Amino acid sequence: DIQMTQSPSFLSASVGDRVTINCKASQNINRYLNWYQQKLGEAPKLLIYNANSLQTGIPSRFSGSGSGTDFTLTISSLQPEDVATYFCLQHNSWWTFGGGTKLELK
Amino acid sequence: EVQLVESGGGLVKPGSSLKLSCVASGFTFSSYGMHWIRQAPKKGLEWIALIYYDSSNKYYADSVKGRFTISRDNSKNTLYLEMNSLRSEDTAMYYCAKSGDYWGQGVMVTVSS
Repeated sequence: DIQMTQSPSFLSASVGDRVTINCKASQNINRYLNWYQQKLGEAPKLLIYNANSLQTGIPSRFSGSGSGTDFTLTISSLQPEDVATYFCLQHNSWWTFGGGTKLELK
Repeated sequence: EVQLVESGGGLVKPGSSLKLSCVASGFTFSSYGMHWIRQAPKKGLEWIALIYYDSSNKYYADSVKGRFTISRDNSKNTLYLEMNSLRSEDTAMYYCAKSGDYWGQGVMVTVSS
């Protein structure tokens, strides 16, 4: 089974900050990596698919990069509405998830 | 607008059964594979089942194999998860998802005596 290690598990940042969240796969998953945002009580929302493709309707301040085993989600300028939990999903071999990153405002 | 709405959760005793439903709208349900995923309290997300668009193939996580059954009724745009022999460790929020791009809000299942 492919394991996904996500870091950090908790992040505090200020409005306007550049924020990065990482996911590391235990083996090569090519670019089969999605990023999601989940706000309290809401359904998870797809932000980035296949490592670096922005889902329709998602603000351009969100971007994804990486391939193979190392992936990054970047928020270029943090907005108050970005407070949420973020998680990655590998879909190269079945599905496994990162442990999540809780993002709060400083 | 794509919508996935789960229902059927609740509080049940160990060893009992429960059937979850996920009603889909806003897309051609019969054209997409569908998944169930769960998240236990204070734990990470766990994929538990996949069904192909035409029900031709079904796959399960080892943790639920033999106890849970995924099914769908394309005429009703509805996905199901039948859960038998429930255990305390099955306590979780259960989500349905369309091929990874849309998820429902989830339904809570609590297994406790």
